[in-house]
Amino acid sequence: KAGVTQTPRYLIKTRGQQVTLSCSPISGHRSVSWYQQTPGQGLQFLFEYFSETQRNKGNFPGRFSGRQFSNSRSEMNVSTLELGDSALYLCASSLVAGSGGANVLTFGAGSRLTVL
Amino acid sequence: GQQVMQIPQYQHVQEGEDFTTYCNSSTTLSNIQWYKQRPGGHPVFLIQLVKSGEVKKQKRLTFQFGEAKKNSSLHITATQTTDVGTYFCVSSNTGKLIFGQGTTLQVKP
Repeated sequence: KAGVTQTPRYLIKTRGQQVTLSCSPISGHRSVSWYQQTPGQGLQFLFEYFSETQRNKGNFPGRFSGRQFSNSRSEMNVSTLELGDSALYLCASSLVAGSGGANVLTFGAGSRLTVL
Repeated sequence: GQQVMQIPQYQHVQEGEDFTTYCNSSTTLSNIQWYKQRPGGHPVFLIQLVKSGEVKKQKRLTFQFGEAKKNSSLHITATQTTDVGTYFCVSSNTGKLIFGQGTTLQVKP
């Protein structure tokens, strides 16, 4: 079956712009979570959605937002981009949400954002 | 909040040498997962440990969960160049997944 698909794979923006990233989970997976990966901070949890509801949120400013659609596809948006937002943004899907034995994550290839 | 400390941050080994990475938490973990990320790639699930003192093996990889469920380790026997990458431990706290900083392994052929 198809894996987790993230688009776009690469993008370049300038400071002050906004960006929307898309994630299509594995068929049947209802939970989608987002992560920011940078060399300095490692992998940091952004937020998780399950059945169109945000279940958990990491410690990121309000410029970072997301949503999930009825088909489980998810988008994340970053407004008023800053240089420090340059990162690899990873999306992962899982069957269920939150902690627990079934919450094995399948990651997409990521969207690499460069802010100039 | 809950933190997971992972050490070492980097490890360079000669091919054939063993490698171990450790994750430590100040609080009891309900479970711990391990992922591997190859250079330029994305994290891939390796294994999950749930029980106190649990030990699981995957070929040359041995995963352990501490008796107190506050620490875990991943040991690779006789490393190969294909083992290169960053290994992450992941725990969960009130639904939020917390990643260790990762250990980047480089293997010299």
